[in-house]
This record gives sequence, C-alpha cells and structure tokens, in this order.
Amino acid sequence: GDSVTQMEGPVTLSEEAFLTINCTYTATGYPSLFWYVQYPGEGLQLLLKATKADDKGSNKGFEATYRKETTSFHLEKGSVQVSDSAVYFCALTGPGGFKTIFGAGTRLFVKA
Amino acid sequence: DARVTQTPRHKVTEMGQEVTMRCQPILGHNTVFWYRQTMMQGLELLAYFRNRAPLDDSGMPKDRFSAEMPDATLATLKIQPSEPRDSAVYFCASGLSSEGDQPQHFGDGTRLSIL
Repeated sequence: GDSVTQMEGPVTLSEEAFLTINCTYTATGYPSLFWYVQYPGEGLQLLLKATKADDKGSNKGFEATYRKETTSFHLEKGSVQVSDSAVYFCALTGPGGFKTIFGAGTRLFVKA
Repeated sequence: DARVTQTPRHKVTEMGQEVTMRCQPILGHNTVFWYRQTMMQGLELLAYFRNRAPLDDSGMPKDRFSAEMPDATLATLKIQPSEPRDSAVYFCASGLSSEGDQPQHFGDGTRLSIL
C-alpha cells in the first residue's frame, strides 16, 4: 500500500540556518504530495502542495519539489526563524482518492 | 477564513463515562475525517465519511467507539465506556473529494484525558 517516510527528529537549528527535512514515498500512479505544519496546541495546516512531477510547491519561504524519479518531496527553507519551530508532516493522496497518508512527523526546534 | 470547529477543546472525565466530541466541517466540504494523535502512536486515522456516508472505520475500536454524521454540518465521535488509554488529542478534518489534489482542513482538536 501507499506509504510516506520522513526523517526522524527532532531537528535543532540556529536561527537563519538552512533547513532540509527529507520525505520519500511509495505509491501507485501519480499521487498529490503535501507538507503540513502543526504548531503547539493547534491542528495541522497545509504548508504547501504539488500535484504532478517536477512541480514545486512554495509558501512562507518553504519549498518542496515533486521528484518522481527519486519518489521524494523534501522540504527546504533557506533561513529558518524561531517562529518556524513546529512539527512538519509529509503526506500523499492517491490519484482520484481522498484518504491522505501522513508521515510520522518531524519536530523542528529553532534556537535564537 | 472558513474553519473546522471542534467542541469541546478540552475534556477531563473518569473512566467508564461516555464522551462525545463534535465537529462542524467547513461548509461545502463533502469529506470528514477523525484522527487521534498521541506521542507514542502519532497521527492515526479512525474513520472517514464522504457525503455523510461512512466509508471506513477500521481504525476505531468498534466495541467502544462510534462515529456518525447526523447532518452535513455535524460529525460526532463517541466513546462509551471510556478508558485511560483513550487519552489523546482527537482531530476532525474536512475536505473536498475530487482528484486527490485537495488538502484536508483540520480543527484545533479535542484534548481528552480519562482518569
């Protein structure tokens, strides 16, 4: 079945450091790929998405590129801020489907 | 911005009591999901609905959990009887079913503690 694997955390960075959170997936066909972010005490919220190969999703300085050849959707940000401290979830939805498969989440701590 | 609304936000009760959690999905959304989040298990899908019809509840303990959508503006998740191991944060999410390219919209959850 479909699955999502993302790097284990926590990831601890200093402010203005470069961020990469790795995500790989297994799916049949061409799924849609998502990154969600969860701040303390809140639900998950969509950060960005990409719906076909080579698409780049971007939002709030975060980017991720849909790589079909490596089945990956790594999250990157050039300069993190303390306010980016949160848990990040990689996810996929199969074509024509509506049930979403979530990764285990990666907790990010950013130090001032 | 439209939001998914969950009530109550917090619930503390003793084991054996019935617990009802409510969710108001975003108007116009036709899919509703219930998740449970714990430190040990992470995010688990309990049940989901499409156009108010239950499609899959295989993630729920059937003997004590039940999920319903009495109408398009209300989804409920009930636990009876509750047990300490049910302590978790329960999230409701809603979305639009199309070609799988639509995200889910989450509420802020119900934090449940069973003593």
